[in-house]
Amino acid sequence: SQTIHQWPATLVQPVGSPLSLECTVEGTSNPNLYWYRQAAGRGLQLLFYSVGIGQISSEVPQNLSASRPQDRQFILSSKKLLLSDSGFYLCAWREAGATKTQYFGPGTRLLVL
Amino acid sequence: AQSVSQHNHHVILSEAASLELGCNYSYGGTVNLFWYVQYPGQHLQLLLKYFSGDPLVKGIKGFEAEFIKSKFSFNLRKPSVQWSDTAEYFCAVAGGGADGLTFGKGTHLIIQP
Repeated sequence: SQTIHQWPATLVQPVGSPLSLECTVEGTSNPNLYWYRQAAGRGLQLLFYSVGIGQISSEVPQNLSASRPQDRQFILSSKKLLLSDSGFYLCAWREAGATKTQYFGPGTRLLVL
Repeated sequence: AQSVSQHNHHVILSEAASLELGCNYSYGGTVNLFWYVQYPGQHLQLLLKYFSGDPLVKGIKGFEAEFIKSKFSFNLRKPSVQWSDTAEYFCAVAGGGADGLTFGKGTHLIIQP
């Protein structure tokens, strides 16, 4: 069966510091991968998606970037965090193809101070 | 661009009460709709989905939802809630890049014993 991991679970970082959040998926090949963010009082917002290694698309302009160095690894990064980057970050995957059901990881709670 | 609106942000019910959570969407393409649930301390997980066919779909734990195309709605229902249904519920529509999901802001449901 497929599993999805995210780490760290919680992170407190100062403004201006770098960020790296990691997501890995097991038990599937060539998945579509997604990063979402939930900010306080707002719904989940799609930030990035990837349909293959090295292929990244951004949905909203922001201070973050994403990379996919391996088939089942998806990384969310920032060179300098802003206060507004605080939130709950979720990684998700789905099988490439017809099915549109996405499966979510446990999330990372990021607090920027 | 697609959007999802959930009418109730906080709902408090007693056990055995009936539940209906409203969800309206805006999307011009083929509709793929979802309800996800996040129980305290757990991953966001799929409750049910609608892709095509019978507009009344059944999900896990006795939940169901009805797709009404003319009203652009996909309301979630359960005839008799239990204390264990306490959770955050999210309605979503697929249609972003690579069929990324657009979520509503969520409904925090509290069931009182």
